Amino acid sequence: QVQLQESGPGLVNPSETLSLTCAVSAGSINNYYWTWIRQPPGKGLEWIGCIYYSGSTIYNPSLKSRVTISVDTSQNQFSLKLSSVTAADTAVYYCARLSHPNNSGWFFDYWGQGALVTVSS
Amino acid sequence: QSVLTQPPSVSAAPGQKVTISCSGSSSNIGNNYVSWYQQLPRTAPKLLIYDNNKRPSGIPDRFSGSKSGTSATLGITGLQTGDEADYYCGTWDISLSAYVFGTGTNVTVL
Repeated sequence: QVQLQESGPGLVNPSETLSLTCAVSAGSINNYYWTWIRQPPGKGLEWIGCIYYSGSTIYNPSLKSRVTISVDTSQNQFSLKLSSVTAADTAVYYCARLSHPNNSGWFFDYWGQGALVTVSS
Repeated sequence: QSVLTQPPSVSAAPGQKVTISCSGSSSNIGNNYVSWYQQLPRTAPKLLIYDNNKRPSGIPDRFSGSKSGTSATLGITGLQTGDEADYYCGTWDISLSAYVFGTGTNVTVL
């Protein structure tokens, strides 16, 4: 059973860069897309973007100017950087595996437990 | 503001059935597969349904999904207290070039 675990600072100053890493265990990062999703307190889910193990990325246009997702296959992990953060970026950030088999839709079949990141000075 | 609209809440007694609608458009549900996620309180979402109506291994057949036109529906039969959670639909939106989630529905077992 694939397991994902987010890690990173729980508090970020406004205007600075939020950085999180997702470690993948009990499975290889190869041959899959990996994604970041966030959920502000008391609100719904928002897709941030995803990365293929080879490094190609797809970002949500609403966040694209501030987002960078990278992958390190040697460490079996991938990372998120979100720049110029404001209080509106305060959320639980989830990493997840994106499955997209041939002739199939997108779906997220394995999720991390989530990491709360608060943007505040 | 999500492009996929769900009712804020639904409720029913134990053992009864509930349905949750997810309304979209031709740029999302109308031309893409839908998945559904269950989020129990203070936990990460969990995949319930993918490709409109397929259940991952381990998901009981009390949960079902369907799609018609630009709307999708999640059904839960034999409602249990453990089903109390938020439920989200999701799909790719061609116009937005983004994966979008529904507004979410809270299920309460009376």
